[in-house]
Amino acid sequence: DAKTTQPNSMESNEEEPVHLPCNHSTISGTDYIHWYRQLPSQGPEYVIHGLTSNVNNRMASLAIAEDRKSSTLILHRATLRDAAVYYCILSPKGVTNFGNEKLTFGTGTRLTIIP
Amino acid sequence: DADVTQTPRNRITKTGKRIMLECSQTKGHDRMYWYRQDPGLGLRLIYYSFDVKDINKGEISDGYSVSRQAQAKFSLSLESAIPNQTALYFCATSDLIRGSGQETQYFGPGTRLLVL
Repeated sequence: DAKTTQPNSMESNEEEPVHLPCNHSTISGTDYIHWYRQLPSQGPEYVIHGLTSNVNNRMASLAIAEDRKSSTLILHRATLRDAAVYYCILSPKGVTNFGNEKLTFGTGTRLTIIP
Repeated sequence: DADVTQTPRNRITKTGKRIMLECSQTKGHDRMYWYRQDPGLGLRLIYYSFDVKDINKGEISDGYSVSRQAQAKFSLSLESAIPNQTALYFCATSDLIRGSGQETQYFGPGTRLLVL
């Protein structure tokens, strides 16, 4: 299975943009890139996912490199509530077309927001 | 009300005891999962179920068993608890994301288990 590499921790100032990087140099052509985050004392929650094109939703943006070997989760204006561990996950497209029967969570990036 | 609930939220037990962690969901999803989380190791998949009659082992199923009593309920059992099963346990369900063939997983609040 293709693996991802993320920095262990990052800090950012409140109300500034945050760019969380993820390297996935062995990604296959059909792997989707998912991001989840885990707020303190909670279970993980879905943030965003994409395949090739950049994606935006109400929570964040996902920028995917042209060669797909890396991606960046962008929080446009960080708040204290964005302090969490962020996980970058690759999800293969399975024969059932459901794909990610098994999400493999690594250790993620612990994001600290400085007031 | 929460869509995915877990009981108990905290549990202390002794080595050798049998315990059951329960998960219920109101999302109507067919797929359910059990994970454990240990410091520095991220989340690891224990078991997953695609429907009531389908149970699959994850990467760390040894020492655990599961029961899918209904679409909404998925229980995890430790037949004879040992200290290295001390961890945070999460239940999750999943739903298909339209147009991508991918799924979103929805996690419960977790059960913190301490085995003495």
